[in-house]
Amino acid sequence: QKEVEQNSGPLSVPEGAIASLNCTYSDRVSQSFFWYRQYSGKSPELIMSIYSNGDKEDGRFTAQLNKASQYVSLLIRDSQPSDSATYLCAVRVSGNTGKLIFGQGTTLQVKP
Amino acid sequence: NAGVTQTPKFQVLKTGQSMTLQCAQDMNHNSMYWYRQDPGMGLRLIYYSASEGTTDKGEVPNGYNVSRLNKREFSLRLESAAPSQTSVYFCASSEASLGTSRDFGPGTRLTVL
Repeated sequence: QKEVEQNSGPLSVPEGAIASLNCTYSDRVSQSFFWYRQYSGKSPELIMSIYSNGDKEDGRFTAQLNKASQYVSLLIRDSQPSDSATYLCAVRVSGNTGKLIFGQGTTLQVKP
Repeated sequence: NAGVTQTPKFQVLKTGQSMTLQCAQDMNHNSMYWYRQDPGMGLRLIYYSASEGTTDKGEVPNGYNVSRLNKREFSLRLESAAPSQTSVYFCASSEASLGTSRDFGPGTRLTVL
């Protein structure tokens, strides 16, 4: 089992819809979770971080964390074609190393 | 603020050649990282440096060496390149090594023939 798993997609949604991206992780002790967006040919950029169970909202983005079920999700409301990218989930490894484990990413396509 | 910079942007090597990828950050971050990204594999950590003067292996260190030259600079060296090292390499930095995210450089696209 991979430490961080994402469906590679592509996930296709129409413009204006809600896009839901999911990520599961295997380390029960993980405390820090991040979502990065990566446009084709570019470097990853951080869009959300979440540390506590529940929802965290930032503009059109909502991160949801459920530690009991070991999953973290990203919702994008009112999806725009400019949201088309690969979304990487990252989980901080437990212990005092600060290492992040990345999922393989989910490709999102928002169709006009 | 340039953030994290990497050189070169593109490189083609022949099997057995050596090269050094350069990385610098101007954000006064303590920790720096080298990742490689391959299709379907996500980002994998090669080496990291939690602070100036320290380096440690990540998930895939074989075939690579690193040098933390000073607080700003962290280089990655391929001593004898192999086709399996064809990848996109990202350098990243973070203010601390505990529980923080990463600022990524623009990447180096390396092809080994």
